[in-house]
Amino acid sequence: ILNVEQSPQSLHVQEGDSTNFTCSFPSSNFYALHWYRWETAKSPEALFVMTLNGDEKKKGRISATLNTKEGYSYLYIKGSQPEDSATYLCAFGLTSGTYKYIFGTGTRLKVLA
Amino acid sequence: KAGVTQTPRYLIKTRGQQVTLSCSPISGHRSVSWYQQTPGQGLQFLFEYFSETQRNKGNFPGRFSGRQFSNSRSEMNVSTLELGDSALYLCASSFGRGDEKLFFGSGTQLSVL
Repeated sequence: ILNVEQSPQSLHVQEGDSTNFTCSFPSSNFYALHWYRWETAKSPEALFVMTLNGDEKKKGRISATLNTKEGYSYLYIKGSQPEDSATYLCAFGLTSGTYKYIFGTGTRLKVLA
Repeated sequence: KAGVTQTPRYLIKTRGQQVTLSCSPISGHRSVSWYQQTPGQGLQFLFEYFSETQRNKGNFPGRFSGRQFSNSRSEMNVSTLELGDSALYLCASSFGRGDEKLFFGSGTQLSVL
């Protein structure tokens, strides 16, 4: 059974703090790794899609790294703001042609003003 | 452009009934995938359709079925509802290449009494 694990499960930080989360996934049959932000009462919104080992993506204060050989990805938020409060999901895409994504249970981030 | 539209937003059914959920993808997207979200669980993959063909399915019983129409709209059907089917059902659309972002709808919240 393929499993994607995210840690921590939840996190409270103060406004201005920097933080990071981890997504662990199987190191075999890797095709893509996605990060999504899911705010309460909204739809999950894609942040990044990464496909290459060593890939790094950046969007404003949020960045992500990928290590496919050891099966992990980090998501970093620099200078957290209250509007960053959301659940952050990662999804592991299996080998090309399967069109199937396995999601982790997410990291719930609360940024306190 | 218009986003992914799911109808209805909320649904209350009783055990033993059946239900049909609808998902209209972003214009031009030919892939629609369906996910189930229950408390404490990550998004569980149900199935994915591309050009009216199911390309992959998750580990759900045969009571869960779906289809896709020529305009890429997709429906999901659950027959003989059980209490455990109460969940948020999300659909996501994409061009279907497998390495791109998924665009999610707002979901249908199904309650089975």
